[in-house]
Amino acid sequence: NAGVTQTPKFRILKIGQSMTLQCTQDMNHNYMYWYRQDPGMGLKLIYYSVGAGITDKGEVPNGYNVSRSTTEDFPLRLELAAPSQTSVYFCASRQVNTEAFFGQGTRLTVV
Amino acid sequence: TQLLEQSPQFLSIQEGENLTVYCNSSSVFSSLQWYRQEPGEGPVLLVTVVTGGEVKKLKRLTFQFGDARKDSSLHITAAQPGDTGLYLCAGYSMIYNQGGKLIFGQGTELSVKP
Repeated sequence: NAGVTQTPKFRILKIGQSMTLQCTQDMNHNYMYWYRQDPGMGLKLIYYSVGAGITDKGEVPNGYNVSRSTTEDFPLRLELAAPSQTSVYFCASRQVNTEAFFGQGTRLTVV
Repeated sequence: TQLLEQSPQFLSIQEGENLTVYCNSSSVFSSLQWYRQEPGEGPVLLVTVVTGGEVKKLKRLTFQFGDARKDSSLHITAAQPGDTGLYLCAGYSMIYNQGGKLIFGQGTELSVKP
């Protein structure tokens, strides 16, 4: 059972570089989420999607972009990386009225 | 914006002690969820509370949803080192047109020492 798969697991970026964090789920879930988590803290919502073709901003969307062209995939794009984007990024998915299932996370460092 | 405030943020106790973690909001939630996260892993659901006043038990963990559905608590009896981790409460936004948004509290970092 794959569940929610995130790639890469680790990445070091230089300031100003761009990258895409990949997230795919095989549970046919409508809802998908991107969160960032700083050390010892909770999860802050970056973007979410309620279905293919529909995305919406969360609490901290600045510096990020997303797309949802298929039910399975929800990539997160970082343009012009900044040190403030150093964090652990989690992707999650759920179906209506169910729990959220999380990926293993991507640890990103911007230097 | 609906917010969830957790307290305390950090808790360090000895094995065998009891503890309570609180999750509060000024807004009503249709339900609240509690997750536990271990280092290097994503959060995993412990329980969902749905009805105001509801109490759910999971072995030594007791979860309560406030009557007004604005707050919840997690009580652990006789804590063990295996309970160590980050505990997170979460809820779905009830703001119009944002029902899919799942928001989290800041988390409570629990350390249980043998």
